[in-house]
Amino acid sequence: GDSVTQMEGPVTLSEEAFLTINCTYTATGYPSLFWYVQYPGEGLQLLLKATKADDKGSNKGFEATYRKETTSFHLEKGSVQVSDSAVYFCALSDAGANNLFFGTGTRLTVIP
Amino acid sequence: GAVVSQHPSRVICKSGTSVKIECRSLDFQATTMFWYRQFPKQSLMLMATSNEGSKATYEQGVEKDKFLINHASLTLSTLTVTSAHPEDSSFYICSARLREAEQFFGPGTRLTVL
Repeated sequence: GDSVTQMEGPVTLSEEAFLTINCTYTATGYPSLFWYVQYPGEGLQLLLKATKADDKGSNKGFEATYRKETTSFHLEKGSVQVSDSAVYFCALSDAGANNLFFGTGTRLTVIP
Repeated sequence: GAVVSQHPSRVICKSGTSVKIECRSLDFQATTMFWYRQFPKQSLMLMATSNEGSKATYEQGVEKDKFLINHASLTLSTLTVTSAHPEDSSFYICSARLREAEQFFGPGTRLTVL
């Protein structure tokens, strides 16, 4: 079945450090891939997405590239800020399916 | 745009009572809404898919008689936790599908059953 494996946290970084959160997936067909972010006390927000192989999703300085050969969708940011502190979820939606499969989430804390 | 609200944001109830949670798409119509459950430090688990005007589709292991879902309009889905028990305490999150493979999430409802 479809599944997402996500790097376990928590991750603590200093401001302006480089961030990578690993995500790999298992799916039949050709899924769409997503990163969602959950800020403290809020609901999930779509951060970025990619719908086919080699696509790069980007938003707010975050990037992730859909790698079919390694079944990965790692999240990166070159210089994190305190305001990036949140829980990040990797997810996939299989082609034609309605629902999302989520990873376990990675809590990021950025310290000044 | 694409805002989804949930009400209430927090609820505390006694064991054995029923609790209703509302999910509304505020600025778009959603024929499909989803209900998730999130345990502490864990991922979201899909409970059911709610389709406007028809019965919900429940995931394996989710009791349909305990978690009643009604999707009576294109902007409202409700989840009723019947005869709630402490093990039902959790964070319940809904989402509404705007277009294929794109869901917008509500802020969640924290249920505590005493």
